[in-house]
Amino acid sequence: QVQLVESGGGVVQPGGSLRLSCAGSGFTFSGHSMHWVRQAPGKGLEWLTFIRYDGSDKNYADSVKGRFTISRDNSKNTLYLQLNSLRVDDTAVYYCAADTAMVRFDYWGQGTLVTVSS
Amino acid sequence: QSALTQPRSVSGSPGQSVTISCTGTNSDVGGYNYVSWYQQHPGKAPKLMIYDVNKRPSGVPDRFSGSKSGNTASLTISGLQADDEADYYCCSYAGTYTVVIFGGGTKLTVL
Repeated sequence: QVQLVESGGGVVQPGGSLRLSCAGSGFTFSGHSMHWVRQAPGKGLEWLTFIRYDGSDKNYADSVKGRFTISRDNSKNTLYLQLNSLRVDDTAVYYCAADTAMVRFDYWGQGTLVTVSS
Repeated sequence: QSALTQPRSVSGSPGQSVTISCTGTNSDVGGYNYVSWYQQHPGKAPKLMIYDVNKRPSGVPDRFSGSKSGNTASLTISGLQADDEADYYCCSYAGTYTVVIFGGGTKLTVL
């Protein structure tokens, strides 16, 4: 069955860095654009970034532009998110999601928690 | 860009119908027929319920329906069941710069 499994979350100090991974299985990973969406504690969903199925296009929300970088390795069926210059308000559960059409997120991971705290 | 506007909460009794609105602008909801809706139970990942304004993925009951008028999209849940109690989020395509925007979320309580 389709699975997206995030990893790499943890506790980091303000200004620090983390790299999140999202491993896909059970579907043709290389055929789907991939997104990262986060949810701060008790808050709503916030779209962060996407990467086209072949890596040829990327886009970022203003809140993370210049600090976060999305990438993918289709040979490993894995999506990445490099988080730099982390701030306290970046604390959230980070989800990866695969789309099958415009804003049609059929597949979601279980999320990985990033806590930014001194 | 600000989140799409949803009511913070709605409620209904089992068997009743409720409608959740999602208001944006002509740069997102009103500009494209790319609106989706997600159900999220506490501690769980979101689940796709509606896409392309009014289409249901396989496995989603036909009690869930979507529509759009101008800059406002709506999700209607008929025949409310206890398990429908969850948070619901709308989502819209917003063009090549902003790309994707979510609503602030609506908590549905089944009384």
